[in-house]
Amino acid sequence: GAVVSQHPSRVICKSGTSVKIECRSLDFQATTMFWYRQFPKKSLMLMATSNEGSKATYEQGVEKDKFLINHASLTLSTLTVTSAHPEDSSFYICSAIDRGWVNEQFFGPGTRLTVL
Amino acid sequence: AQTVTQSQPEMSVQEAETVTLSCTYDTSESDYYLFWYKQPPSRQMILVIRQEAYKQQNATENRFSVNFQKAAKSFSLKISDSQLGDAAMYFCAYDFGTASKLTFGTGTRLQVTL
Repeated sequence: GAVVSQHPSRVICKSGTSVKIECRSLDFQATTMFWYRQFPKKSLMLMATSNEGSKATYEQGVEKDKFLINHASLTLSTLTVTSAHPEDSSFYICSAIDRGWVNEQFFGPGTRLTVL
Repeated sequence: AQTVTQSQPEMSVQEAETVTLSCTYDTSESDYYLFWYKQPPSRQMILVIRQEAYKQQNATENRFSVNFQKAAKSFSLKISDSQLGDAAMYFCAYDFGTASKLTFGTGTRLQVTL
């Protein structure tokens, strides 16, 4: 149980285009999902907290107009990188909290974004 | 603000031996949670062990155990009988409440040698 999936696992796009990454909780309902960014050999940096049915809360320094987050249902959150640039290339990881077990985050396998 | 510090960027251990990874944190909260996560080359984050601050007993999960020193704000991970599959990045993390965000340390890369 407690499986989180991400799609796609890898994506390559051209500079200036937008990319959408999906995060799904497969066997539980997630009231809260988190989006992280991880640079090579670095730790996870929290980008935003996403609650179902409400606007995401962004961390300081994260451009909310560039990283659009939508949490439309209890099993799906999406991160859209708008007008992507090479500096947006990174590994993006989502996590979700089970509504019935709120003291643990379950992580997705991550999405590697490469912007050419 | 809460901070988590892992002072060992890299550690190495021989197979079957024991290794301890260090973690310290800073918080003004009295009730919180601490975690150790493993990130293998696949990049999938895997929860290794968790500790509730209000519990004095150190958490244990098979070969993994922690030494939680609340007054010293220290939370080290001991891996016994190390296996090749234990090779990974290990992140210490802090969470001060229910459904709150995790604060991660910078990570320790563990190598396991034959």
